Amino acid sequence: VLTQPPSASGSPGQSVTISCTGTSSDVGGYNYVSWYQQHPGKAPKLIIYEVSQRPSGVPDRFSGSKSGNTASLTVSGLQAEDAADYYCKSYGGKNNFYVFGSGTTVTVL
Amino acid sequence: EVQLVESGGGLVKTGGSLRLSCTAFGFNFNDYSMNWVRQAPGKGLEWVSSLSSLSSHKYYADSVQGRFTISRDNAKNLVYLQMDSLRAEDTAVYYCARTYCSTTACYYFDSWGQGTQVTVSS
Repeated sequence: VLTQPPSASGSPGQSVTISCTGTSSDVGGYNYVSWYQQHPGKAPKLIIYEVSQRPSGVPDRFSGSKSGNTASLTVSGLQAEDAADYYCKSYGGKNNFYVFGSGTTVTVL
Repeated sequence: EVQLVESGGGLVKTGGSLRLSCTAFGFNFNDYSMNWVRQAPGKGLEWVSSLSSLSSHKYYADSVQGRFTISRDNAKNLVYLQMDSLRAEDTAVYYCARTYCSTTACYYFDSWGQGTQVTVSS
């Protein structure tokens, strides 16, 4: 399991950054980090892939980056609908194909 | 429109078996790897298994290796998860997800079903 902070918060219009720490066998070893947003009772939604790429339709308020064994997701200009759980995921090689982060609950104050 | 619909969940006794199905709509199923991800009550996402488009490559999480089997029927746009020797800790919502390929890699899940609940109890 990749390590994420359990919670993060910000006021509308502010920015929040979520970290995702792994090892050289997953996050640090590959640029195959993705981020998923999950609202309560709903299926997850892909919002970032390949560390920093946004799928079509995802607002540019969402951005991703990586340094060493830690990836980060930044949500700028927070909006009420950004309140959700966020999970990182990394490819981990043939012996640990995919590994998810522990999840972060974002609260918009 | 891409759609994934899971079915087959339910209540099963410890040690029992269950087969989940995921039916795909709206895309050329034969071209995509497919995956199962689960989420225990109040917990985070856990990758369970992945299967390549022509079933040549299968991958499992350590927690289910030897107990779960992933398979697919491309003629019917179906992917399955056969779950044997079920344990209480397998209780979760099970999601089916499609693999998305960027220009360089196929390691992302771009479409998800709504999930099917599996409850394992003695």
